[in-house]
Parts: sequence; structure tokens; C-alpha cells
Amino acid sequence: DVKVTQSSRYLVKRTGEKVFLECVQDMDHENMFWYRQDPGLGLRLIYFSYDVKMKEKGDIPEGYSVSREKKERFSLILESASTNQTSMYLCASSTAGTSGRYEQYFGPGTRLTVT
Amino acid sequence: QKEVEQDPGPLSVPEGAIVSLNCTYSNSAFQYFMWYRQYSRKGPELLMYTYSSGNKEDGRFTAQVDKSSKYISLFIRDSQPSDSATYLCATKSFMDSSYKLIFGSGTRLLVRP
Repeated sequence: DVKVTQSSRYLVKRTGEKVFLECVQDMDHENMFWYRQDPGLGLRLIYFSYDVKMKEKGDIPEGYSVSREKKERFSLILESASTNQTSMYLCASSTAGTSGRYEQYFGPGTRLTVT
Repeated sequence: QKEVEQDPGPLSVPEGAIVSLNCTYSNSAFQYFMWYRQYSRKGPELLMYTYSSGNKEDGRFTAQVDKSSKYISLFIRDSQPSDSATYLCATKSFMDSSYKLIFGSGTRLLVRP
């Protein structure tokens, strides 16, 4: 079974703090993704990475950065947390699609509250 | 217009009912379809994926794709209270060389005991 883990289930941070969210997958997947999920807005892609040290902006990258130094690990960084970044953050991974398979496997999520 | 549309629900059914969950999509280039189940405060869990038109069955779940109508469905037979969750459809365009998926916003299902 694919296993995607996230470093924290719940996190409370103060406005202006630097926040690190970590994600690790154990299936040797090439691609990794960070989403945020908000009521009424669905899943929105923040950043994704298709290889080590490679990253691509998603639909809402402002206020976020990412790091992928190892294939299995993808970090999301909030440089200066703001209250509008209070959300559920979901990490996902997928294969490179060479087999024609594109489904993504999600972690349990981190519910971040910025006060 | 969103590329993938789902009725948000909630859809409330009695235990044992057959449930039909639906998505419509706008882009005929979408050809890989997935269904995810998401329990409250958890990450989405992949239920099924399918490439083509027709049906795909897995236990109590059947995924159906009608490309001519741009309509995908998930049927749940003998629904159980444990099926209460939000169901998300997702798709990918063969015209898009990235690995991004397009997600519906989800339908909340409540199965009453």
C-alpha cells in the first residue's frame, strides 16, 4: 500500500511565524503535490514537484515556497504565516505516468490554524 | 464554468440504499477518471480509477463513464453508515503534459442507520 505521511495532524502558529510542513512518501513516486482544502473552495494546488530539486507553481503559490531535496520528501514552507493561511493542507504523490496511471495518493492532512 | 462539477449535497439515504454520485465535465480531452472518498478531517482516499467509457466494478462500488455526455458516476450498492463521507471525482486531460489532476468540489453523502 502507498503510504504518505505528514509531520503533524494539527498545528497552531502565530501570525508572522515561519511554518514548515513535511511530507514523506514510501512508494518511490516521482511526483509530489501540496494542496490546501477549504470549505466551499475544494482542493487547490499550491505547488508540485516532478523530480528532486524541481518545483512548479500550482494555482495559488503566493505566500508559500517548497523544497524537495530527497525523492521521498516534499516540504511546504509558509515564510510568514497569515490568518488567511488557516486551512487543511494535504500532500499527495503519484508516479510519473509512464504506465498511463496518474492517480494521486494523499496523506492524512495537517490542519493549520494561524492566530 | 468549472471544468468538473459536482452537486455538494448533502445526499441523505437510508442504510441499504443504492447511491448514485455524479460529476459532469466540460473538456472532451479528459480521459482518466478517479473517485476519492474523504472522511471528515482526513485525507482523500483513492477508491477507483478508470480510463474509458463503460463500467468498472470493485465490490460494492461501480464507476461509470459516459464520454458522449461527459458524465461520470459512482454507484454504491447496499450503502452502509460507514460510507458517510465526501466523495470527490477527479480527472486528467491527455492534452496536459503535467501531472495535475482536476478535482470536483465533492458531494457529501450521509447514510442513515
